Amino acid sequence: DTAVSQTPKYLVTQMGNDKSIKCEQNLGHDTMYWYKQDSKKFLKIMFSYNNKELIINETVPNRFSPKSPDKAHLNLHINSLELGDSAVYFCASSYRTGLVYEQYFGPGTRLTVT
Amino acid sequence: GENVEQHPSTLSVQEGDSAVIKCTYSDSASNYFPWYKQELGKGPQLIIDIRSNVGEKKDQRIAVTLNKTAKHFSLHITETQPEDSAVYFCAASISNFGNEKLTFGTGTRLTIIP
Repeated sequence: DTAVSQTPKYLVTQMGNDKSIKCEQNLGHDTMYWYKQDSKKFLKIMFSYNNKELIINETVPNRFSPKSPDKAHLNLHINSLELGDSAVYFCASSYRTGLVYEQYFGPGTRLTVT
Repeated sequence: GENVEQHPSTLSVQEGDSAVIKCTYSDSASNYFPWYKQELGKGPQLIIDIRSNVGEKKDQRIAVTLNKTAKHFSLHITETQPEDSAVYFCAASISNFGNEKLTFGTGTRLTIIP
């Protein structure tokens, strides 16, 4: 199947731990993103990468570090997890159609910090 | 930065009736307005989008209208069906050749009553 995939789907961990979420897309897209969806369903962009280069870096604590080993992968590493990091994290990728880039989302990773 | 407001936050309609969700945006430079549908436990799915050079776009039972002067855009779903029940998000961005940053509305939970 062609899609944006994320692992794991669920992640439960304790405060202070370090964890990673992986994202892969086989759509041939050049740009990938990380979004955070909080408990009220609000979606906010965190990062975007274009061809492995960081393009967007919103006001996110530097405990969050994205890494793009190649165009098809964008991983998110989180250090020293805090309770407030509990959320659903979505990876997305986009391709250019005309003058805009249509974004396609993965299934999400629900992170619970206890 | 861009600010997108979305109304209503919840909407219940009888099956077969129409549903309308409205959004306003603040940045007059925004030129791309996608709509996403998010089903329970899944990632947002792009269902329709509109560029700023178009006033209306239709795809089967869904349509989107854009009023650039008033800076608002709306999603119209006709002949609603139970499978239309989901959370719908509007978004706005300025196309910037790979540097797009989608700003999302707060979502509308649509419930179709059989």
